[in-house]
Amino acid sequence: SQQGEEDPQALSIQEGENATMNCSYKTSINNLQWYRQNSGRGLVHLILIRSNEREKHSGRLRVTLDTSKKSSSLLITASRAADTASYFCATDAGTGNQFYFGTGTSLTVIP
Amino acid sequence: NAGVTQTPKFQVLKTGQSMTLQCAQDMNHEYMSWYRQDPGMGLRLIHYSVGAGITDQGEVPNGYNVSRSTTEDFPLRLLSAAPSQTSVYFCASKNRGTYEQYFGPGTRLTVT
Repeated sequence: SQQGEEDPQALSIQEGENATMNCSYKTSINNLQWYRQNSGRGLVHLILIRSNEREKHSGRLRVTLDTSKKSSSLLITASRAADTASYFCATDAGTGNQFYFGTGTSLTVIP
Repeated sequence: NAGVTQTPKFQVLKTGQSMTLQCAQDMNHEYMSWYRQDPGMGLRLIHYSVGAGITDQGEVPNGYNVSRSTTEDFPLRLLSAAPSQTSVYFCASKNRGTYEQYFGPGTRLTVT
């Protein structure tokens, strides 16, 4: 399987704190994406970082990518209770047609 | 726009039964895909389609058939359900040449 892995599997923080989750993948990539999944719902796209980028920001989200270590991290700053969800990374096999998702990090933000 | 819709939301099947999970999108996306999500496994790609009349296998295609007769619809067929196919199934779509996928709300399937 080319599925990536994320850690931690679960993370619980207080509202206002920062949350960091990591994704490791196995093969060379064109880009890496992060998705959010609220309980019982479909996934929602958050951000994409290309293989030639090292860092990208979008609102309270900061993503880094280290292709030499085949890893990425997602930082959510000043977390809110509404950020409670599972977060998944997804890599592209190179064709833009086959995507491999990580195992996910379950984030709980306590009000 | 309704986005990506899936029916049914829940389904219980007996081993050996067949059924079709429906997926439709109204965004005129060329690309559509099916995933299954199992606890601790993340999402795994079953089949995908880059346009009407074109389908291809993903990571876990065994036991599933697909067809794409129109741009809007991409049904997933289970010909003979097995307990190992108990899972949550998600359909997704995107524009050709882009990477952001839009997901449906999912179908929770239980095979007894």
